[in-house]
Amino acid sequence: NAGVMQNPRHLVRRRGQEARLRCSPMKGHSHVYWYRQLPEEGLKFMVYLQKENIIDESGMPKERFSAEFPKEGPSILRIQQVVRGDSAAYFCASSPTSVETQYFGPGTRLLVL
Amino acid sequence: QQQVKQSPQSLIVQKGGISIINCAYENTAFDYFPWYQQFPGKGPALLIAIRPDVSEKKEGRFTISFNKSAKQFSLHIMDSQPGDSATYFCAASMNTGFQKLVFGTGTRLLVSP
Repeated sequence: NAGVMQNPRHLVRRRGQEARLRCSPMKGHSHVYWYRQLPEEGLKFMVYLQKENIIDESGMPKERFSAEFPKEGPSILRIQQVVRGDSAAYFCASSPTSVETQYFGPGTRLLVL
Repeated sequence: QQQVKQSPQSLIVQKGGISIINCAYENTAFDYFPWYQQFPGKGPALLIAIRPDVSEKKEGRFTISFNKSAKQFSLHIMDSQPGDSATYFCAASMNTGFQKLVFGTGTRLLVSP
């Protein structure tokens, strides 16, 4: 059973470009979480999604950030018009139910030049 | 009130020694306290977790001690090994229908041979 997959693993963008981060949950998992880890800091919750639904996006910045988890395909975290402060590691986690253990992917390291 | 404070920031322990990492929280609604281990370039992996109805949980060389009245919990790594060198995060969540993890800032552990 493959673990949580994230791609790309590393992404470099110039200020003003768009970043798309993809997350494929573990097989059988329909719950996806996104977290952001700034350098030398802990992970911060961004958003929780179930298939086709955003359940809690209280940790998402109000502008430029959006997330989706379509019926088919991976979950996508989209950052429009990136700024240098968006440089961070973005982790996706999945779980089989809303209250069970979250399994984390290897993360996408975003660098904004 | 949503914070989890973790200390120390870094820790050096000799091989065979005991590593101790501490966390404190304010929100008494938290009811799930996991510890995650993260190696460089990887995502966090669940190590051990505890709920407030017990004061201690042991799995192999890893033990969580939980003090509900003091709102503190700690991770003890017995017989520490160089392979334990990693960053450790404590976290907490409350029953909101899903696991919205609040992470500590992390402890970088180095076990010297």
